[in-house]
Amino acid sequence: RKEVEQDPGPFNVPEGATVAFNCTYSNSASQSFFWYRQDCRKEPKLLMSVYSSGNEDGRFTAQLNRASQYISLLIRDSKLSDSATYLCVVNSRNTGKLIFGQGTTLQVKP
Amino acid sequence: DTGVSQDPRHKITKRGQNVTFRCDPISEHNRLYWYRQTLGQGPEFLTYFQNEAQLEKSRLLSDRFSAERPKGSFSTLEIQRTEQGDSAMYLCASSLVGVNTEAFFGQGTRLTVV
Repeated sequence: RKEVEQDPGPFNVPEGATVAFNCTYSNSASQSFFWYRQDCRKEPKLLMSVYSSGNEDGRFTAQLNRASQYISLLIRDSKLSDSATYLCVVNSRNTGKLIFGQGTTLQVKP
Repeated sequence: DTGVSQDPRHKITKRGQNVTFRCDPISEHNRLYWYRQTLGQGPEFLTYFQNEAQLEKSRLLSDRFSAERPKGSFSTLEIQRTEQGDSAMYLCASSLVGVNTEAFFGQGTRLTVV
């Protein structure tokens, strides 16, 4: 079983739609959780960290469920510019090693 | 530019040759990571350093791969006797130590083994 698992998609949604991605992780000792965004042929960039109480940044909301070992990302009012691959990232055990999921591809259509 | 820089950006090599990539992290960052990424996959962990100490190396990595960070600043990743399956994007990232500290990526080195 992979340490971090995501549905690769693709998710094809119209502009203005709300879309949610989930990610599961296997190690209950993980402490750091992130969502990164990666555009085609570019390096990954941090979208947002995920905190235990959940957090919001504009149209983006991240949630952490430690009991079920999953994190989620909700994007409201999707824009064409949101089209990208969204990578779930978790630190392995209580180390600094960062493990990436496969990524979920989002395509927002006009 | 004070971001993570990688050199070269592209490398084409013949099977069996050795290649070496360099990564210069953000200057105050004490953690440095190497990842490999192929099309349609997320970055796959290779190894990481805290200062000059190599803390972990992926078990998936064969002995042909080695990485160093001799003075706790820049790092090199060497692949010996390259194989076609080594063709990928090699990404370097750096961060500070701590919980929920962001890792910043370089633009990567794209390796093609022919």
